[in-house]
Amino acid sequence: DARVTQTPRHKVTEMGQEVTMRCQPILGHNTVFWYRQTMMQGLELLAYFRNRAPLDDSGMPKDRFSAEMPDATLATLKIQPSEPRDSAVYFCASGGDGGRTDTQYFGPGTRLTVL
Amino acid sequence: AQSVAQPEDQVNVAEGNPLTVKCTYSVSGNPYLFWYVQYPNRGLQFLLKYITGDNLVKGSYGFEAEFNKSQTSFHLKKPSALVSDSALYFCAVRDMDSNYQLIWGAGTKLIIKP
Repeated sequence: DARVTQTPRHKVTEMGQEVTMRCQPILGHNTVFWYRQTMMQGLELLAYFRNRAPLDDSGMPKDRFSAEMPDATLATLKIQPSEPRDSAVYFCASGGDGGRTDTQYFGPGTRLTVL
Repeated sequence: AQSVAQPEDQVNVAEGNPLTVKCTYSVSGNPYLFWYVQYPNRGLQFLLKYITGDNLVKGSYGFEAEFNKSQTSFHLKKPSALVSDSALYFCAVRDMDSNYQLIWGAGTKLIIKP
C-alpha cells in the first residue's frame, strides 16, 4: 500500500529555531506539493515541484521558508527562523504527472507548534 | 479566474439518513473536480474525481458525487450516513491557468448524529 510519509509527525520548538520537515513521496510520483493548514486560513499551497524542479513557491514566505527536493525520494521544507505564527499542520502530497486528471495523495502531516 | 465554493461550514445529518455536501465551481473550460475527506488528526484522503463522461461519479466509502454543468455544482452524496462519516470534506477544482494546481474549498464539517 503506497503512501506518502512525513517526519516528524509532531514538532514543538521555540521561536527563532530552525525547523526541518521531511517528506517521502510515493515511489514513481513526479509531483510534490507542500501545504499548510490552519483554522483561520484553511489549506494553503506553499510549494509545488515537478520532476524535482520548483514550479511554484509563490505561497511561501521567502524570507524564512525554503523547499527543496534533493532527490526523487525526499522533499524538505525548512523554516528559519521559526515564529509563533508558523504554528500549523504542514502536509506533503504527491501526484503522478501533474496533468489535468492527476490525483494528489496526502501524507499524515507534521503538526508544528512554535512557542 | 477559477474558484470553488462550499457554501456550508457544517452539515448535520442523522445516522441512516441521506447526506449531501455542496460544492459549486467557476472555471473557464471543462472542469476537473475532486472531493477529499479529512478525519481528525489525519491527512486528506482522496474520495473521487470528475474528469468527463457520466455525471454521477462513484468513489470510496460509498460516496458519490453528481456533476451538474448547468448549475456548476459537484455535490457529494451518500444514501445512508454512518457516524464514522463524520469528518471534514473538501472540494477542489483544477486550476487550468496555473500549472494544474488544485484550488481548494474552505471545507465542510459533516456531523452524523446517532
